Amino acid sequence: DAGITQSPRHKVTETGTPVTLRCHQTENHRYMYWYRQDPGHGLRLIHYSYGVKDTDKGEVSDGYSVSRSKTEDFLLTLESATSSQTSVYFCATRETEETQYFGPGTRLLVL
Amino acid sequence: TQLLEQSPQFLSIQEGENLTVYCNSSSVFSSLQWYRQEPGEGPVLLVTVVTGGEVKKLKRLTFQFGDARKDSSLHITAAQPGDTGLYLCAFRTGANNLFFGTGTRLTVIP
Repeated sequence: DAGITQSPRHKVTETGTPVTLRCHQTENHRYMYWYRQDPGHGLRLIHYSYGVKDTDKGEVSDGYSVSRSKTEDFLLTLESATSSQTSVYFCATRETEETQYFGPGTRLLVL
Repeated sequence: TQLLEQSPQFLSIQEGENLTVYCNSSSVFSSLQWYRQEPGEGPVLLVTVVTGGEVKKLKRLTFQFGDARKDSSLHITAAQPGDTGLYLCAFRTGANNLFFGTGTRLTVIP
């Protein structure tokens, strides 16, 4: 357990609206990640951060942006939500090269 | 695009039975990880295997890394209802990120 919380845990929104998901960690881990999980696709990396203000794209970054202004917080923003972004979003932190911890997830429904 | 195939996709067995699930790729990995994810929660790391041919045991779970480091298996002995969940394998990419398979969803019936 790496003290990861995600908010909100559930959200319903409409197509075209902006949405921001928050990930908060208490372990001071340098690396943080955002994944989405969809049936038949497993977990796919959206964006990751390797330090404050240092971020990079993952496998499925289109339509998403991230920000990290503090070590403990990593925000994921959907600028204009689409139905294809309906998913379960997981935040993770990395303690060592071989150890990642995941948050409880945010279930997002875009109508 | 690297692919990580897991089989079977779904598995339903009776309590007390043994089972094996597989993780296969055409690529060679420096290491491979296994996670278990329970409904409504995030994945939890079970084990990391690094050396070809390596076998690791975690109570009733036995993990094996293929000799050529392209595949791995997870064997559960005498499955319990608490073993129910989604089992995911993942490898570390050159960018030091994790790439996940699609998972095996296991249901153990009491």
